[in-house]
Amino acid sequence: DAKTTQPNSMESNEEEPVHLPCNHSTISGTDYIHWYRQLPSQGPEYVIHGLTSNVNNRMASLAIAEDRKSSTLILHRATLRDAAVYYCILRPPLNTGNQFYFGTGTSLTVIP
Amino acid sequence: EAGVVQSPRYKIIEKKQPVAFWCNPISGHNTLYWYLQNLGQGPELLIRYENEEAVDDSQLPKDRFSAERLKGVDSTLKIQPAELGDSAVYLCASSRKGLANNEQFFGPGTRLTVL
Repeated sequence: DAKTTQPNSMESNEEEPVHLPCNHSTISGTDYIHWYRQLPSQGPEYVIHGLTSNVNNRMASLAIAEDRKSSTLILHRATLRDAAVYYCILRPPLNTGNQFYFGTGTSLTVIP
Repeated sequence: EAGVVQSPRYKIIEKKQPVAFWCNPISGHNTLYWYLQNLGQGPELLIRYENEEAVDDSQLPKDRFSAERLKGVDSTLKIQPAELGDSAVYLCASSRKGLANNEQFFGPGTRLTVL
């Protein structure tokens, strides 16, 4: 199973951008890159996903390196409600079962 | 749209006792997952159902854990007997084929404490 490596923790000031890195050097050509986050006492929730191109949605942006061996989740203006554990996950093709391997994630602290 | 419902939210039992967790997925979601989350760790898959069929239970400790999804809707995860090391959060998630991002929707989890 392809693995991801993330820093254990990061801090950000409120209303400033946050760049959460993820290394996935063993990614295969068909693996999608997914990001989920887990707020305290809640289950994980979807943030964003991509394959090769950079992606934007209302929650965040995902920047994928050209060689796909790393990616960065970008929160444009961190709020206190963004304090959570962020998981970078590689999802193999659908016919292999949509398995998610979460790892330990990055715990983001937002400082008022 | 109602989310994934899990009950109970919290459970405290003594070791060697049985315990059961219930999950009702989002309506129309044919795939259901049970995850185990230890403190400070990410969720780990225990079992995945496609409708009523368990298609991946390779990580389920079958000596004490069992699960069922009889009508392909709600599901029950059971531990008998519970051990101290089973203290964790048990998460249920569901997904639907055809969603562009194959998003998994998670419930709030059941926090189990074994004394």
